[in-house]
Amino acid sequence: AQRVTQPEKLLSVFKGAPVELKCNYSYSGSPELFWYVQYSRQRLQLLLRHISRESIKGFTADLNKGETSFHLKKPFAQEEDSAMYYCALSLTGANNLFFGTGTRLTVIP
Amino acid sequence: KAGVTQTPRYLIKTRGQQVTLSCSPISGHRSVSWYQQTPGQGLQFLFEYFSETQRNKGNFPGRFSGRQFSNSRSEMNVSTLELGDSALYLCASSAGTSGGLRFGTQYFGPGTRLTVL
Repeated sequence: AQRVTQPEKLLSVFKGAPVELKCNYSYSGSPELFWYVQYSRQRLQLLLRHISRESIKGFTADLNKGETSFHLKKPFAQEEDSAMYYCALSLTGANNLFFGTGTRLTVIP
Repeated sequence: KAGVTQTPRYLIKTRGQQVTLSCSPISGHRSVSWYQQTPGQGLQFLFEYFSETQRNKGNFPGRFSGRQFSNSRSEMNVSTLELGDSALYLCASSAGTSGGLRFGTQYFGPGTRLTVL
């Protein structure tokens, strides 16, 4: 069965420091991976998806099929990056998302 | 474009009652998915509707049901409410059509906070 694991519930980094939010998945097929973000008092919104290979707000994520990982990275954290981050997976041919439990990122000024 | 809207935003019910939640998707979107968010279980997929048909279903009991209307608006219903049904219920809309088995981005609504007493 498919599963998304985000090992860190909480992550704190100083402003300007690099940040990496970890995501591992298990799925025997060819998944599509996403990162969603929820800022305080805002709705859940897409940050990036692996097929687009975009860099959004300085964040990047590379799908590593060998390690079944999709870690989110940013070289220099900003205070406005403080939010809840969810890694999600969708299965081939299905339009529903399986979410990890989320990581709350706090950027310390 | 206006975003996904959900009504009501807050709801308080007692055990045994039933509840109906509503979701209006982004104009032009034909797929609506519903998710339950709880502190213990996180975000879990309930079901997806596309063109008035349930296309996909998560692992929830039959007390949870839904439907979609011809204008793509969707409702979900929970019958015989239990304390454990207290949660934030999110709906998400997307174009829903597959292009090479990949679907459009899902856009989420603000959620309906259901409290069961």
